[in-house]
Amino acid sequence: KAGVTQTPRYLIKTRGQQVTLSCSPISGHRSVSWYQQTPGQGLQFLFEYFSETQRNKGNFPGRFSGRQFSNSRSEMNVSTLELGDSALYLCASSLGTSGQETQYFGPGTRLLVL
Amino acid sequence: GENVEQHPSTLSVQEGDSAVIKCTYSDSASNYFPWYKQELGKRPQLIIDIRSNVGEKKDQRIAVTLNKTAKHFSLHITETQPEDSAVYFCAASINNAGNMLTFGGGTRLMVKP
Repeated sequence: KAGVTQTPRYLIKTRGQQVTLSCSPISGHRSVSWYQQTPGQGLQFLFEYFSETQRNKGNFPGRFSGRQFSNSRSEMNVSTLELGDSALYLCASSLGTSGQETQYFGPGTRLLVL
Repeated sequence: GENVEQHPSTLSVQEGDSAVIKCTYSDSASNYFPWYKQELGKRPQLIIDIRSNVGEKKDQRIAVTLNKTAKHFSLHITETQPEDSAVYFCAASINNAGNMLTFGGGTRLMVKP
């Protein structure tokens, strides 16, 4: 099976712009979770989508949003970018049937905000 | 919400020695505890996990122990090798909450040949 893929792999944006990141889960996986990884804050949960519905949400401002399509692919959007949004954004997929499943991570999208 | 603390933040061992990384969690409802290894520039990869109905789990050189009463769990790596050098993350999640992992701050393990 192909692994989790994310596009693009690298992005450079300027403050105030918006950005959309994409995640394609492993075939058959219906849950997609997004995480932000920074040197200072570590790995932080953003949100989880399951069957096109947001099932969980972390403690991030409303500038961070996401959606999931019928094929389980997910996108996350960050509007009005700030310097502090520079990070590695990771998505992870799992079957979605319980909270005790292995989550498989994608390679991440590295976002730099100038 | 859940809070996971991980210690130490860095750990240096000689090849062949054992390494132990410890994590504590705050929410007694947490019942799934995975450990991820992240090499430089790579994605986190699951190396072992444990569920709350089990006290210990072992996979070759890697073992994890869970103490639900004390709310802590540990990763043990025996006979360390240079390729074990990486950042290790512990995490916790609550079964009924879907897939929402709360991660510890990470431990940078360096294995000296």
